[in-house]
Amino acid sequence: AQKITQTQPGMFVQEKEAVTLDCTYDTSDQSYGLFWYKQPSSGEMIFLIYQGSYDEQNATEGRYSLNFQKARKSANLVISASQLGDSAMYFCAMRESTDKLIFGTGTRLQVFP
Amino acid sequence: DGGITQSPKYLFRKEGQNVTLSCEQNLNHDAMYWYRQDPGQGLRLIYYSQIVNDFQKGDIAEGYSVSREKKESFPLTVTSAQKNPTAFYLCASSIGSGGDGETQYFGPGTRLLVL
Repeated sequence: AQKITQTQPGMFVQEKEAVTLDCTYDTSDQSYGLFWYKQPSSGEMIFLIYQGSYDEQNATEGRYSLNFQKARKSANLVISASQLGDSAMYFCAMRESTDKLIFGTGTRLQVFP
Repeated sequence: DGGITQSPKYLFRKEGQNVTLSCEQNLNHDAMYWYRQDPGQGLRLIYYSQIVNDFQKGDIAEGYSVSREKKESFPLTVTSAQKNPTAFYLCASSIGSGGDGETQYFGPGTRLLVL
């Protein structure tokens, strides 16, 4: 069974608008971590934000916030005030009790003027 | 500047040839990882190492080998047994394994093409 699901292959957003990228996960562990990475066309994976399963507050990092709904097993990324440089692939990932990061298939975000 | 370097950026492999991808980090991280990314896909774990002279297979280790003789270095060899090696290879490191919050930081990647 797929552990990380990103159902949006592609998303469009106008510059300066907010956008939400969806991520749902599946785990039986009580302790786990959720990550979002950005991959521009250059290929490098850039860490954006982290949410621990026991964290009560949603994580925020600048224009990025993680909408964590534990009961629904969702960890959506919200990007506020989109910029042209935000155009990239975005990957959701989960780390369980093992050392492995499990990645979703990604969402391609395109920001237009 | 601290970071992770991968070389070369592009690598071409002939049939039956072994090739080695380099990964070096100066972040003083204990754990290092190798991932493979195919077009339109997420990353899949090949091998990982939590400490020098020790490493474990990931989900797709067949046809690959690694070594971890130094803390800073974790080279990946793509052997002739890997029948479909064309992919983008990413190396990552983290402070140390254990715990959910240990963020993995990635290098710029190596693109491997088969001639």
